Amino acid sequence: DAGVIQSPRHEVTEMGQEVTLRCKPISGHNSLFWYRQTMMRGLELLIYFNNNVPIDDSGMPEDRFSAKMPNASFSTLKIQPSEPRDSAVYFCASSLLAKNIQYFGAGTRLSVL
Amino acid sequence: AQSVSQHNHHVILSEAASLELGCNYSYGGTVNLFWYVQYPGQHLQLLLKYFSGDPLVKGIKGFEAEFIKSKFSFNLRKPSVQWSDTAEYFCAVKPPRSNTGKLIFGQGTTLQVKP
Repeated sequence: DAGVIQSPRHEVTEMGQEVTLRCKPISGHNSLFWYRQTMMRGLELLIYFNNNVPIDDSGMPEDRFSAKMPNASFSTLKIQPSEPRDSAVYFCASSLLAKNIQYFGAGTRLSVL
Repeated sequence: AQSVSQHNHHVILSEAASLELGCNYSYGGTVNLFWYVQYPGQHLQLLLKYFSGDPLVKGIKGFEAEFIKSKFSFNLRKPSVQWSDTAEYFCAVKPPRSNTGKLIFGQGTTLQVKP
């Protein structure tokens, strides 16, 4: 299995631009999680989906952040407009609900200038 | 508030030293417990897990962890660390009666092993 695939690996953008991060979970997994990691705040859960349905988005920092999961094999995290404080590594993870083991993607390192 | 606590934020050891990283959680009831490792510049990877049975769990790369229910603890150990063990280590808990797949992660412990 290819594992959780995230793209792009690196994104550099200017403040005010829209940023879209993409995630392909492991085939057959039915839970998907978006995390943000920074030195200051550590690992934060932003939002997660079960069977493509958003379960808890209380970790999404602001309305500028949105996430979708249109089908079982694809999810996006969008930031519009982006700000320098959004600079972080964004991880996507997937799991089988029955197993609870989360598998992480390689992450997207976002830099907002 | 219910949480997962890793008391050591930054640990520095010399090679061949023994390692123990603390993890405590505040949930009552049946929990699933995990340790993840994040090598520099990489993503989190599962090191070991405990669901039930033998409370002493063996993981990859010589790591082990012991679940002590009475102490609400799941400490990570390794008898002899190597320079390549330099990484950040995260403890995580699936809370009892939770069926959403969500894990609660500790703050992480950075381990630096000096050659």
